[in-house]
Amino acid sequence: NAGVTQTPKFQVLKTGQSMTLQCAQDMNHEYMSWYRQDPGMGLRLIHYSVGAGITDQGEVPNGYNVSRSTTEDFPLRLLSAAPSQTSVYFCASSAYGTSYEQYFGPGTRLTVT
Amino acid sequence: QQQVKQSPQSLIVQKGGISIINCAYENTAFDYFPWYQQFPGKGPALLIAIRPDVSEKKEGRFTISFNKSAKQFSLHIMDSQPGDSATYFCAASMKGNQFYFGTGTSLTVIP
Repeated sequence: NAGVTQTPKFQVLKTGQSMTLQCAQDMNHEYMSWYRQDPGMGLRLIHYSVGAGITDQGEVPNGYNVSRSTTEDFPLRLLSAAPSQTSVYFCASSAYGTSYEQYFGPGTRLTVT
Repeated sequence: QQQVKQSPQSLIVQKGGISIINCAYENTAFDYFPWYQQFPGKGPALLIAIRPDVSEKKEGRFTISFNKSAKQFSLHIMDSQPGDSATYFCAASMKGNQFYFGTGTSLTVIP
């Protein structure tokens, strides 16, 4: 049982490049979410999903896309990276209907130059 | 606009002392209030959580006090240990959907 896994751990992008941050969970959780963590700002919700085929925006969705084709996977796409997207990104999941407890992945540190 | 306000930003406590971190919220629709602990280079991990129908919840050395009328809740760490040194985040959620986090408190417990 690996829990929530994220790849890559580190990434450097140039402005304008695109990339996908991967997130997977093996706990059969319905709810998955993406956060960004910036110094002094806590964690801010980017997008979330309450099940396969269902996604919704969080606090800071601009510049990011998501899709949820399977229960296990919830990738986050940066369409055209900007320096303002330099951050640490965390994916989380929860059982949602039975428990609100979120399990977080180890994070991806992204630098956009 | 910050949905959940957390204080203090940093806290230094002697070993064996009590650490207290405070949070305040505005939206009365929030129905779940968790606290997370985060060590450097790791993802946050749930420490303890409370629903608004109780005023206090205790798990070992960790206690949440909840004041519904004041829209405030706090984390108390009794007998603080150096291993408790970490960043702590409060959060609030409506029905487990959108979670709003505080800005974090860096706790240092000195021996």
